[in-house]
Amino acid sequence: DTGVSQDPRHKITKRGQNVTFRCDPISEHNRLYWYRQTLGQGPEFLTYFQNEAQLEKSRLLSDRFSAERPKGSFSTLEIQRTEQGDSAMYLCASTTVGDTQYFGPGTRLTVL
Amino acid sequence: AQSVAQPEDQVNVAEGNPLTVKCTYSVSGNPYLFWYVQYPNRGLQFLLKYITGDNLVKGSYGFEAEFNKSQTSFHLKKPSALVSDSALYFCAVRDIYNFNKFYFGSGTKLNVKP
Repeated sequence: DTGVSQDPRHKITKRGQNVTFRCDPISEHNRLYWYRQTLGQGPEFLTYFQNEAQLEKSRLLSDRFSAERPKGSFSTLEIQRTEQGDSAMYLCASTTVGDTQYFGPGTRLTVL
Repeated sequence: AQSVAQPEDQVNVAEGNPLTVKCTYSVSGNPYLFWYVQYPNRGLQFLLKYITGDNLVKGSYGFEAEFNKSQTSFHLKKPSALVSDSALYFCAVRDIYNFNKFYFGSGTKLNVKP
């Protein structure tokens, strides 16, 4: 257990529905990342927060995706109007001034 | 573009034998390189990193990695494999122009047979 938690661990939804995932980083970590991992691939960067500010967004993050980190603590990732191509593992990671990332267990999304 | 490549989808090794998981990088400067391990239904766990200094980096669980600038490689090694080392291994590089971004390889599945 790295100290980073994600909820839910699994989510099954129907195409067109909205889903929201939560990440609770290690409390003293001010930097938070979201990644997407599909089968047979490594994690792909989605977005990055430093405290409450979203400083980076990948072009993979379409306008159906939005992420927030209110008060610089937990973060949420919302996907609107889900598509089957959104099925993946969504990983959250946190870090402090160093560059070693601590990953959560991930949320596995299945879109039917 | 900066990237890492893991040329082997799968590596099979017998318990007690040495193991090597390969990684090559493409970076136009001095790379920051990482190895992570992922067990089934778990997130990635940090093993080790190379920033600067000694080319041989020692990490968790008896793993080490050798940075080779001339071959642009950062192979993960362990002198004696354990069955419990069976997992998915990812090499990663930090973007040298944007320290907020990291690029991961596609992963190598390590199978250690008793």
